Amino acid sequence: GAVVSQHPSWVICKSGTSVKIECRSLDFQATTMFWYRQFPKQSLMLMATSNEGSKATYEQGVEKDKFLINHASLTLSTLTVTSAHPEDSSFYICSATNPRRVNEQFFGPGTRLTVL
Amino acid sequence: QKEVEQDPGPLSVPEGAIVSLNCTYSNSAFQYFMWYRQYSRKGPELLMYTYSSGNKEDGRFTAQVDKSSKYISLFIRDSQPSDSATYLCARHTGGGNKLTFGTGTQLKVEL
Repeated sequence: GAVVSQHPSWVICKSGTSVKIECRSLDFQATTMFWYRQFPKQSLMLMATSNEGSKATYEQGVEKDKFLINHASLTLSTLTVTSAHPEDSSFYICSATNPRRVNEQFFGPGTRLTVL
Repeated sequence: QKEVEQDPGPLSVPEGAIVSLNCTYSNSAFQYFMWYRQYSRKGPELLMYTYSSGNKEDGRFTAQVDKSSKYISLFIRDSQPSDSATYLCARHTGGGNKLTFGTGTQLKVEL
């Protein structure tokens, strides 16, 4: 299998606070994980690529100091949205690649973030 | 020009119809193409991927790639209400494992 989970599935926070989202590969070790953001009725936009034990690679226009990514183990990556603002409200989705199926990305169920 | 373009729909069809979903891409270097299905408020689910021209079939789904015209298609036979979702095409360059998605086509299969 290739199951990816995310926690929490939804979160509401106040403006200025930080929110941490976890992405776990449940039945495989993921050397690479990806973080996407999806606004309503829009496609997935890649934010960053996360490799275990190294710094994440951010896409152009994504603030690395605002979106902190940690990939501490082969089964866990975290995205922390720091000092969140209402414009950060979105659907955040992670994916992971299984080394045995390198051309496929397996997606988590997503985390809906609402910043008040 | 976007790297991967898709008609956002919505596309509404009656149950049992054959559905044709299409994407165009601009970069000839693209190697792999994927189709994902995304239900509302859920993560995308991989349906099929292909890396060559021609057809690939899996049950009611057929993926077709025409590299000469940079056109990829997904056909759904005997469509069901449970097929109602957004369908995303994506390209994969091989190196780096990055995916670039189209905007997705919203499909509604009605009883």
